[in-house]
Amino acid sequence: DGGITQSPKYLFRKEGQNVTLSCEQNLNHDAMYWYRQDPGQGLRLIYYSQIVNDFQKGDIAEGYSVSREKKESFPLTVTSAQKNPTAFYLCASSGGALTSNKNIQYFGAGTRLSVL
Amino acid sequence: QKEVEQNSGPLSVPEGAIASLNCTYSDRGSQSFFWYRQYSGKSPELIMFIYSNGDKEDGRFTAQLNKASQYVSLLIRDSQPSDSATYLCAVISSGSARQLTFGSGTQLTVLP
Repeated sequence: DGGITQSPKYLFRKEGQNVTLSCEQNLNHDAMYWYRQDPGQGLRLIYYSQIVNDFQKGDIAEGYSVSREKKESFPLTVTSAQKNPTAFYLCASSGGALTSNKNIQYFGAGTRLSVL
Repeated sequence: QKEVEQNSGPLSVPEGAIASLNCTYSDRGSQSFFWYRQYSGKSPELIMFIYSNGDKEDGRFTAQLNKASQYVSLLIRDSQPSDSATYLCAVISSGSARQLTFGSGTQLTVLP
């Protein structure tokens, strides 16, 4: 069953704590992305990676960190420096075999992060 | 800052009518355009993508692109209550290495 798996579905963070959101894909996509969505808003790009061991900051990278040690995995850490982390976090991937489809991003089910 | 603008709505149409969703973008060099549907509490799912000027049809959905006017729209024919969702317009701008810039979405309600 091909797709993008995000876990956990819900996550609670205590003040001063770092938390890590998991994203795994078995689509053989080369590019992976992390977005944040606040209520009633569109998606904002946090980080993206186009190749293993390389990643770039998006529009709102402050307070977040990522790694890309494997093609299939792109975990996101929300650090204590992110003062307003409550949001819906979405992971996506792209890179189909057909040139016309390589830009299409497919999304995981998301993780809802709340602050205790 | 490259921007994508959508009317936030909400937009309400009766069942069976045509729903028209609009999106404008600021970067004239943008090449790729996408419409995603997002049900409440769920993740976005791709509805349509369009790269060339003109219309692209897929079932009840038609995407229309006018690069000269920097305008992309989504028409939903024979709207159904199950089409009630937020529709997100997304654009890959020039030089952005496949990054999507999203609009804030238009909330559509189809009334039975």
